[in-house]
Amino acid sequence: QVQLMQSGAEVKKPGASVKISCRASGYSFGSYHMHWVRQAPGQGLEWMGIITPSGESTIYAQKFQGRVTMTRDTSTSTLYMELNSLRSEDTAVYYCAKDGYYIVDYWGQGTPVTVSS
Amino acid sequence: DIVMTQTPLSSSVTLGQPASISCRSSQSLVHSDGSTHLSWVQQRPGQPPRLLIYKISNRFSGVPDRFSGSGAGTDFTLKISRVEAEDVGVYYCMQGTQYPWTFGQGTKVEIK
Repeated sequence: QVQLMQSGAEVKKPGASVKISCRASGYSFGSYHMHWVRQAPGQGLEWMGIITPSGESTIYAQKFQGRVTMTRDTSTSTLYMELNSLRSEDTAVYYCAKDGYYIVDYWGQGTPVTVSS
Repeated sequence: DIVMTQTPLSSSVTLGQPASISCRSSQSLVHSDGSTHLSWVQQRPGQPPRLLIYKISNRFSGVPDRFSGSGAGTDFTLKISRVEAEDVGVYYCMQGTQYPWTFGQGTKVEIK
């Protein structure tokens, strides 16, 4: 079965960077786009961006342009998301998710990121 | 960006009774491929989201048939025919027709 296992909770100071990983199993990782979605405390879901199967191309939501980098390592079936210049508003749970052709069909368990001085 | 607007934002439902959630998009969700990429996801308390419905009305694997989706163009509806205790949570519509993908604000369903 499809599984997306994310790295553990992070606590960062304002201005720092965070890099989250997401290891996929149960399907052909190199054949599907992958997404990142975040959820601030008590808030809704916010799409951050998508990376192609090869990792050669990404599309980021404008809000995150210049601060986010999504990469993937097909040899280890691992997806990464790095967010720079963290601010308190970036405190959220970050989800990796598998693309199912214009939908998100499987989600990781989420990685809480807290940004606090 | 396409704005997704859900109503109501919360719904209190008696067990065994139906529930309905509406979702309106600020522009048509018909893709150039002819499909409408509107999906519904459920988020139970403390859990990650889970896909329920895709392309307006198709139930995802393992989703009970009490969940159904309908609509076209810019207006869509998720219906739960008979609410069960495990249906408590927040429901989001989501469009995958145009980047950036966007979600509705979420509708919280609770048991009365």
